Amino acid sequence: GIQVEQSPPDLILQEGANSTLRCNFSDSVNNLQWFHQNPWGQLINLFYIPSGTKQNGRLSATTVATERYSLLYISSSQTTDSGVYFCAVRTGANNLFFGTGTRLTVIP
Amino acid sequence: ETGVTQTPRHLVMGMTNKKSLKCEQHLGHNAMYWYKQSAKKPLELMFVYSLEERVENNSVPSRFSPECPNSSHLFLHLHTLQPEDSALYLCASSQDKGINEKLFFGSGTQLSVL
Repeated sequence: GIQVEQSPPDLILQEGANSTLRCNFSDSVNNLQWFHQNPWGQLINLFYIPSGTKQNGRLSATTVATERYSLLYISSSQTTDSGVYFCAVRTGANNLFFGTGTRLTVIP
Repeated sequence: ETGVTQTPRHLVMGMTNKKSLKCEQHLGHNAMYWYKQSAKKPLELMFVYSLEERVENNSVPSRFSPECPNSSHLFLHLHTLQPEDSALYLCASSQDKGINEKLFFGSGTQLSVL
């Protein structure tokens, strides 16, 4: 099956700092989503981005499908950005497959 | 608020108990999903329903029994569980099951099996 690797596995930031999270995948994908799971377990869909670039406030994402990676940018981080960020991809007619996530801690 | 509501938020049960998890979506979606999230492991897809028909069952043990009475409601019936079944169980929905499916998750049920 498809391999999804997220890096870094853990990240600690000072409030106000910027960060880049990466998702590498081993096959061509037709669906890619980024999620944020807050400390209480709630998963929020941040972006649906199988290709191209999208921005939503302080967050933006870029997927370069031909090179099989996606990046999530967080600017001016806040403590509420803490949690785990997951990348999920789909290839062919398969189901979405989730990576193991990046755990982000933003300290005041 | 994602439009997907799960109850209960927490559940503790013995191995001989029978319990049910409930999920309700208010988004008008046609597909609903159960995922299992264990510590240090990626989310695992358990079941998928599309238009109230089960379309996916990822080799889940029979002690987990899903039910989808209509497109807005999804249940997961639990019986004779094992301690290793302790995990966060997440429900999700999407407009349709297909290439463009975009998932919306509930808050999950944290299950502990004693």
